[in-house]
Amino acid sequence: EAQVTQNPRYLITVTGKKLTVTCSQNMNHEYMSWYRQDPGLGLRQIYYSMNVEVTDKGDVPEGYKVSRKEKRNFPLILESPSPNQTSLYFCASSDPSNTGELFFGEGSRLTVL
Amino acid sequence: GQNIDQPTEMTATEGAIVQINCTYQTSGFNGLFWYQQHAGEAPTFLSYNVLDGLEEKGRFSSFLSRSKGYSYLLLKELQMKDSASYLCAVSGNSGYSTLTFGKGTMLLVSP
Repeated sequence: EAQVTQNPRYLITVTGKKLTVTCSQNMNHEYMSWYRQDPGLGLRQIYYSMNVEVTDKGDVPEGYKVSRKEKRNFPLILESPSPNQTSLYFCASSDPSNTGELFFGEGSRLTVL
Repeated sequence: GQNIDQPTEMTATEGAIVQINCTYQTSGFNGLFWYQQHAGEAPTFLSYNVLDGLEEKGRFSSFLSRSKGYSYLLLKELQMKDSASYLCAVSGNSGYSTLTFGKGTMLLVSP
């Protein structure tokens, strides 16, 4: 089954404790992206990657890092989480040679205390 | 930059027709997407328009006018399960890397 898998789905952590949210897709998509979704603000892009070893900042990259060492994986790293990073995070992938339809993971709800 | 506007909330009755509008101002245009998102779930793809006109897919249709920077999503024969947030998203100059989402329209379908 074609899918985007994120882990963990839910996480409560404390300020400053490094964490990584993993994202993996099995559709051989070149393009992957991370979004955060907050009430009243909609989906905002954090980082995206057009291919292996190619990443770029989206609209709200501060406080986040990403890497793309393999085509299927695109982890999101919070080196020193802060309460304003409490949010619902979505990973997505697409095939730019097609319509570019984004396939989303199920989301990761992160709470930083 | 990109600016996408859509109504915050709409209500409609089961069996009715509802039209959700989206206006956009973008630096370049490579297509407009509509997604559906139920509460607490991931967005799911509904439609894609890159040329002017109407695209029909079952009970859902999407319209695009590039000259007016305008799109709408039309939902017919509304069902209770259509209660969800509907997201308009525009792809700009750099293609999919600049896919920008509107804040979404929360649709509530009542019996």
